[in-house]
Order: sequence, then structure tokens, then C-alpha cells
Amino acid sequence: SAVISQKPSRDICQRGTSLTIQCQVDSQVTMMFWYRQQPGQSLTLIATANQGSEATYESGFVIDKFPISRPNLTFSTLTVSNMSPEDSSIYLCSVATGTSTDTQYFGPGTRLTVL
Amino acid sequence: AQSVTQPDIHITVSEGASLELRCNYSYGATPYLFWYVQSPGQGLQLLLKYFSGDTLVQGIKGFEAEFKRSQSSFNLRKPSVHWSDAAEYFCAVGDLGLYTGGGNKLTFGTGTQLKVEL
Repeated sequence: SAVISQKPSRDICQRGTSLTIQCQVDSQVTMMFWYRQQPGQSLTLIATANQGSEATYESGFVIDKFPISRPNLTFSTLTVSNMSPEDSSIYLCSVATGTSTDTQYFGPGTRLTVL
Repeated sequence: AQSVTQPDIHITVSEGASLELRCNYSYGATPYLFWYVQSPGQGLQLLLKYFSGDTLVQGIKGFEAEFKRSQSSFNLRKPSVHWSDAAEYFCAVGDLGLYTGGGNKLTFGTGTQLKVEL
């Protein structure tokens, strides 16, 4: 499976600011996804990061709040905009690749705390 | 819509004891089923997956899971738990084909927190 890294691993931010999270993969992957895991909760899919086109967002998530970029097949960013304490979560990227696009592998996550 | 239920929020077992974590799913067709483990401060690691074929699947770290269509279940088992197995376990169901490029939309259960007593 691919090796996935995320930056930053954790951050503490002030209300009203924005944070960009990076996801880097060591090989080209077909699909990249972004998930949110709120404290004590399960994972919820935010969006699919599409290479060369706009991301596909799930119900309840909008581009203005969570803009996503995917400039190539190994890298994606998720920005959490105009943050509030309710955005405090772990944000994880995942990838699906090659002939096994039906299986997702996850990065280590970014733990975000908003004060 | 697909859904996953993990009825046990917390489970405590003694080291060396056997383990079974329950997972029930709701899905209209043959599901793609996964178990992931999340250790404290870590991302999710894939333990095993079921797509088709043999209903008993083997995974990493000595885990196995059995798909039972009649019960809509995919329970995770381990014959002898080690202290390092303490973590949160997530069951997920995937819906292949929801994306034009392939891939799966994963729906996760709420997780089961496993505590291992020494």
C-alpha cells in the first residue's frame, strides 16, 4: 500500500482563522478523499479530491468552508476556513489506487483544536 | 442508504482471552466490508476486507472476520488478545461504483473501543 503523510500532525488555531492541511503520497494514486472525525465520533467523508477538477463534496460540506486542491496524482490540500470551535476534529486523507480502487488507505491524520 | 452498526461502544477483555467485535450492516447488494483499527493518536490501519468468495477472511495481526449474509453481519475475531491490541476498531461498508472513476464510498460505524486488561 502507499505511504501517506499529512502536515501538520496537529495544530491549535484561533477562531476565525484558516488552516491548510497537506496530504502527500509516495506514489501516484487514482483517488484521494478527505474525512473528518469529530471528538468521540466516527469518520465522515467531506469530499473526494479530483485531480484537475473541482472536488466532489458530500451533503453538509461546502467548498467555501472546505476548499480542496489536488494539483497532481500524489498531493492534495484541505483548507478549513473561518474556523470555529466546532471544527475541532481529526482530519484524515485517504487514497485508493491502481487496481484496488475499492480499498482506501488512510494517512495519520491532523488533529485540529480551535480556541 | 448504506449504514453500519457497531453495538458495543466499549469492550474490555483480559490479555490472552478471545475477542469478538460485532458489526451489522445495511446495504442493498453484496457489500464491500472492511475493518480498520485506530491506535491512539494514529490514523486508520486496514485490518482486513471482504469483497466476495470465502466468507471467512484473514487479516493482519491475527485477526479474522466472518461475513454472514443471513445476519447482515461481519464480526471481527481474534483467538488471543495482546495488550497492544488496545485501540478503537471501525467497521465500514463500501459502495463500489458511486464514483465515475471507481473507488468506494465508505460508511463507517461508530467504532468499538477495546481495552485490554493485563
